[in-house]
Amino acid sequence: NAGVTQTPKFQVLKTGQSMTLQCAQDMNHNSMYWYRQDPGMGLRLIYYSASEGTTDKGEVPNGYNVSRLNKREFSLRLESAAPSQTSVYFCASNQGSSYEQYFGPGTRLTVT
Amino acid sequence: KNEVEQSPQNLTAQEGEFITINCSYSVGISALHWLQQHPGGGIVSLFMLSSGKKKHGRLIATINIQEKHSSLHITASHPRDSAVYICAFRWGGSNYKLTFGKGTLLTVNP
Repeated sequence: NAGVTQTPKFQVLKTGQSMTLQCAQDMNHNSMYWYRQDPGMGLRLIYYSASEGTTDKGEVPNGYNVSRLNKREFSLRLESAAPSQTSVYFCASNQGSSYEQYFGPGTRLTVT
Repeated sequence: KNEVEQSPQNLTAQEGEFITINCSYSVGISALHWLQQHPGGGIVSLFMLSSGKKKHGRLIATINIQEKHSSLHITASHPRDSAVYICAFRWGGSNYKLTFGKGTLLTVNP
């Protein structure tokens, strides 16, 4: 099993450009999450999907959209990137809220 | 405000030492997680607990619900334990949302 995979690993964008971060899991998990990690701060939840077909806002959703494409895939879209979105983005999944989360390797995004 | 505080922020130890990392939180919780973030950035879940104590190899996690406090202990520390250790809690409201601490950077020297 590959676990949770994320693409790309690194990305540099100019302000105003758009892009989609891809996440897939092969553990048949119901729930998936997108986090961002910034220096000096704890991980913060951007959006989550409790189950296929549902998505909900987390702590810092502004500037992002998500799509739960199917049970395996959960994508994060930046429509118009801003320097404040420079961060490391992690996708995670679990069987449900009462279970531990499995994390992907992260995507390092720089917006200039 | 739901907050989680970790201490110490940085910890340097010699190989073989017993390590304790602390986590305090401000609200009633349904579960607390301990995670390890390797120097390369990957995050691994170590424990999820809602009461008592759990042990896995040289790692032990304890939680005191009344005192709103959890500890992560590492016995016989090794340089490969060098990482950032993060605690996070899940609380009422949405059970899907975790609140994360800022992490404790542990360096174990040979």
